[in-house]
Amino acid sequence: DAKTTQPPSMDCAEGRAANLPCNHSTISGNEYVYWYRQIHSQGPQYIIHGLKNNETNEMASLIITEDRKSSTLILPHATLRDTAVYYCIVSGYNQGGKLIFGQGTELSVKP
Amino acid sequence: EPEVTQTPSHQVTQMGQEVILRCVPISNHLYFYWYRQILGQKVEFLVSFYNNEISEKSEIFDDQFSVERPDGSNFTLKIRSTKLEDSAMYFCASSSDWDGYTFGSGTRLTVV
Repeated sequence: DAKTTQPPSMDCAEGRAANLPCNHSTISGNEYVYWYRQIHSQGPQYIIHGLKNNETNEMASLIITEDRKSSTLILPHATLRDTAVYYCIVSGYNQGGKLIFGQGTELSVKP
Repeated sequence: EPEVTQTPSHQVTQMGQEVILRCVPISNHLYFYWYRQILGQKVEFLVSFYNNEISEKSEIFDDQFSVERPDGSNFTLKIRSTKLEDSAMYFCASSSDWDGYTFGSGTRLTVV
């Protein structure tokens, strides 16, 4: 089973920041937090990952709490093309690198 | 940007037939994976492959499934005798280390 909890759905206005929360209270010290998204039935797309520090790349920012029990993915200026299912996944050596997908958060970006 | 390429994009096969799904991972990646997604359901792990052998497989990956890296560039998933319940999107993925995977765009397998 997935080790993360996410809200099933969220809405966001186009141009605004989308903040997607994730709880992973049982995360181990050597496990990373990964975020992927899936648009329609396309292959999942890697967004960002982190261990304990906050991370930023050209797509998004990842904020991980100090206790590592939760995180937030931030899409700073959401567009209609960001409408997708977003998956927060904990993985690391214990999982042999495999990803265990949950149901994710269905983000709808509205004009 | 490097891509994982999967062929065919759609395969229709009769129940009981063998199918081979093909993938070309990113060239400098070392870890290879197959996942599947039945329509409307979660993405499910099937198998991981490293150093020319299976490193882990799920309960779904039974004796009907096999994987191979025949020539150092292709990575294939074979289903020996397809069942109706094998109908799904099959995704290949590759990675270099603990960085994120790159997934292919998938093969839609329809068993009739």
